Amino acid sequence: KTQVEQSPQSLVVRQGENCVLQCNYSVTPDNHLRWFKQDTGKGLVSLTVLVHENDKTSNGRYSATLDKDAKHSTLHITATLLDDTATYICVVGDRGSALGRLHFGAGTQLIVIP
Amino acid sequence: DMKVTQMPRYLIKRMGENVLLECGQDMSHETMYWYRQDPGLGLQLIYISYDVDSNSEGDIPKGYRVSRKKREHFSLILDSAKTNQTSVYFCASSLRENSDYTFGSGTRLLVI
Repeated sequence: KTQVEQSPQSLVVRQGENCVLQCNYSVTPDNHLRWFKQDTGKGLVSLTVLVHENDKTSNGRYSATLDKDAKHSTLHITATLLDDTATYICVVGDRGSALGRLHFGAGTQLIVIP
Repeated sequence: DMKVTQMPRYLIKRMGENVLLECGQDMSHETMYWYRQDPGLGLQLIYISYDVDSNSEGDIPKGYRVSRKKREHFSLILDSAKTNQTSVYFCASSLRENSDYTFGSGTRLLVI
C-alpha cells in the first residue's frame, strides 16, 4: 500500500499564477519530510526539508508546511515561471539518519504555460 | 561542484544479457543507494550501501546485485536482464548522520 499520496497527479497553470501541491502520508515514524523537484530526464533536487510539528519553510518562491498530527504537507509555488515545469516529489524519512528509509510519493506533474 | 555521476545515461540491452550501471560521488559520502523509478510509482529502493563492502537489500532486491569496493563508487549489476527491469535507475548518496541526499541524473535502461 502506498504510504505517500500526492495530489493532484498533474496540474496546469499559467505563468505568474500560484499553485499548491498536497502530500498525505501514513509513514510512521515520520522523522522528516522533503520536497524534491525533478526536471524531465534529470535527477531529484531538494527544495526544502521540514522536521518539526507545524514546520513552515520558505525558499524563494517555494514555501512549505508540515502538519505531523494530520500527516499532511503542502508545497506552495508563487508567481510560477516556465522553468517551474517539472515533477514535484514528496518524500518522508522515517529516521533522522542515513540508516532510515525514504518513502517516495509518485509526484505531481506541474506544467506552466505562457 | 559536489555531485553524483551515473554512467551510462541511456542503455538498451537484450533479455538475458548482463547489465552494469555505475555510480560515482565526489563528496566522500559513506552511504549510497540504488533506486528505480517507474511511471506512476514513487522511487523504490533496490540496495543500500553503508560503506565499502557493507551492502544491504532494499525493498526490491530480487534480480539485482551490487558492488562497492571503493567509497566513491557503487555499481548495480543485473545478471540476465529481464524486460520488467526496464526502468530509470537512480543512484544517490548521503552522509551517515545527515538526511541530505544527492541524486544522480539517472540511467534509462530498456530491456528488449
